[in-house]
Amino acid sequence: AQKITQTQPGMFVQEKEAVTLDCTYDTSDPSYGLFWYKQPSSGEMIFLIYQGSYDQQNATEGRYSLNFQKARKSANLVISASQLGDSAMYFCAMREAGSGGGNKLTFGTGTQLKVEL
Amino acid sequence: GAVVSQHPSWVICKSGTSVKIECRSLDFQATTMFWYRQFPKQSLMLMATSNEGSKATYEQGVEKDKFLINHASLTLSTLTVTSAHPEDSSFYICSARVPGAEQPQHFGDGTRLSIL
Repeated sequence: AQKITQTQPGMFVQEKEAVTLDCTYDTSDPSYGLFWYKQPSSGEMIFLIYQGSYDQQNATEGRYSLNFQKARKSANLVISASQLGDSAMYFCAMREAGSGGGNKLTFGTGTQLKVEL
Repeated sequence: GAVVSQHPSWVICKSGTSVKIECRSLDFQATTMFWYRQFPKQSLMLMATSNEGSKATYEQGVEKDKFLINHASLTLSTLTVTSAHPEDSSFYICSARVPGAEQPQHFGDGTRLSIL
């Protein structure tokens, strides 16, 4: 079974609009962390936002917020006021406390976001 | 923030050559680093976990003798692709994590490897 599922291979959004990128996860570990990364066409992986499984509030970082619904096992990324520079691949990832090996990350398949004028 | 440097950015070489890729944590010590491989338009696939002062832990299906990992210091891990062939052409990217439960993995800029 997939541990991280991103069901949107591609998304389009108009500049200045908000967009939600979906992510669902599967784990039986009570302690875990969820991350979102952005990968522009140049290839580097840019950390955006983190949500811990015990966090009571949704994480926010500037224009990024994470809609964390623990019971539904979803951790959707919301980007507000989209900018052309937001066009990139976005990956959701999970780190399980019991994953061993230095707490490795499991990545989803990614969502390609295109911001249009 | 934490910075991870990866070198080289691009490598083009002949089949049969061995290629070494370096991953350095510039402003923090990393007892653990990670090596990923990424094919075009696909996700990152973890190849191995590099442990300072001990042997790397390889993921299932990754050839240990093909992808040699050395983590000799707290700031440097190297990946050597031995006797590289065209099917080894890919994007390789490393990461390291600042200790702490909430800390993300910080990634290098990646290495595009092309074997002719």
